[in-house]
Amino acid sequence: SQKIEQNSEALNIQEGKTATLTCNYTNYSPAYLQWYRQDPGRGPVFLLLIRENEKEKRKERLKVTFDTTLKQSLFHITASQPADSATYLCALPSMDSSYKLIFGSGTRLLVRP
Amino acid sequence: NAGVTQTPKFQVLKTGQSMTLQCAQDMNHEYMSWYRQDPGMGLRLIHYSVGAGITDQGEVPNGYNVSRSTTEDFPLRLLSAAPSQTSVYFCASRQTGGDTEAFFGQGTRLTVV
Repeated sequence: SQKIEQNSEALNIQEGKTATLTCNYTNYSPAYLQWYRQDPGRGPVFLLLIRENEKEKRKERLKVTFDTTLKQSLFHITASQPADSATYLCALPSMDSSYKLIFGSGTRLLVRP
Repeated sequence: NAGVTQTPKFQVLKTGQSMTLQCAQDMNHEYMSWYRQDPGMGLRLIHYSVGAGITDQGEVPNGYNVSRSTTEDFPLRLLSAAPSQTSVYFCASRQTGGDTEAFFGQGTRLTVV
């Protein structure tokens, strides 16, 4: 079955630095991958989509890469701010149904002022 | 501009009680789903629906029932609550077809004692 792995340890960085989060997956070649942000007590909010034929996608200070050979996506936040502190989740379509989204367990990011 | 609305936000149940978690969306999305989120385990899919009258099981369906009589509503029923069902529950909707983003509700924090 497909498996999605995100670093369960929190990432603690200084304001202004670049945060890099990793999403690894196995047993699967998804057509796309999505990243979400989740704040405490709230539902996840969609940030970025990257398709299998795209190497990189950018949106303001966010950048996502998708390496289908390594089966890995990297999520970067440049010039990080304390307001970027949250949990970041990656999601892929299920192997058996394109409707279903399967989520990683998320990585918590803490940006120190 | 409501999006996905979940009620209640908090609930405490005694073991064996039943209840229904409500979910409604106003975006005319065909696809709706329920997830539970537990510490360290990420979002796990309980049930999903690709349209009115059509439902299917996700990864962890036991102890839960769903129905989809309208496009807008997708209630989740706990038939006989157990402490193992203590969790945060999220309802999500998305347009079917392709790589569309998922919209989440605010969540329901359920405690079974």
